[in-house]
Amino acid sequence: DAGITQSPRHKVTETGTPVTLRCHQTENHRYMYWYRQDPGHGLRLIHYSYGVKDTDKGEVSDGYSVSRSKTEDFLLTLESATSSQTSVYFCAISGTELAGNKTDTQYFGPGTRLTVL
Amino acid sequence: GQSLEQPSEVTAVEGAIVQINCTYQTSGFYGLSWYQQHDGGAPTFLSYNALDGLEETGRFSSFLSRSDSYGYLLLQELQMKDSASYFCAVRVINQAGTALIFGKGTTLSVSS
Repeated sequence: DAGITQSPRHKVTETGTPVTLRCHQTENHRYMYWYRQDPGHGLRLIHYSYGVKDTDKGEVSDGYSVSRSKTEDFLLTLESATSSQTSVYFCAISGTELAGNKTDTQYFGPGTRLTVL
Repeated sequence: GQSLEQPSEVTAVEGAIVQINCTYQTSGFYGLSWYQQHDGGAPTFLSYNALDGLEETGRFSSFLSRSDSYGYLLLQELQMKDSASYFCAVRVINQAGTALIFGKGTTLSVSS
């Protein structure tokens, strides 16, 4: 299994408070991703990183920011949490440079269950 | 934009064969992947097709037809442990790098 951890694993917070979720990898992979998973929506990409200090927006980036100051850590911040951000958040990593028919296997962390009251 | 369509639920019995279809619309296509997720767990990679045809990995096979923007995951000799959600995903390439866009998932229930 890829060495990828997420913290915290569970969090309950109140509307309007800031929240930071951490993803930590020991694989030295270049790419890191944050997804949220909600019933009926599958996995939706929030933000991703393609290197230290290099990040880009995904499908559902509004209300979220990210930072990557080290290869191994990718932080997701909810500046002011809302109830609509109650979800399960997954971090994923991949290391493959994409070209031709090379696969892009993503390895997922165990997830963080966030509840915003 | 990108969109993927797959059935929301499929049911089958142990020992049977089941096919989960996925149709996609993308602005650029670089491969179709399949992931499995057991209830409460993390998604795990199953297979990948970049070229037309069938890829076989044990009891699981995945097929791709790029001209039809269509693929499927075939699960044979179903076991109870195959009860899970299955997601198809397409790779998105942009100037910054790459990411996967996932379908909404198909919940497979295997009964005895």
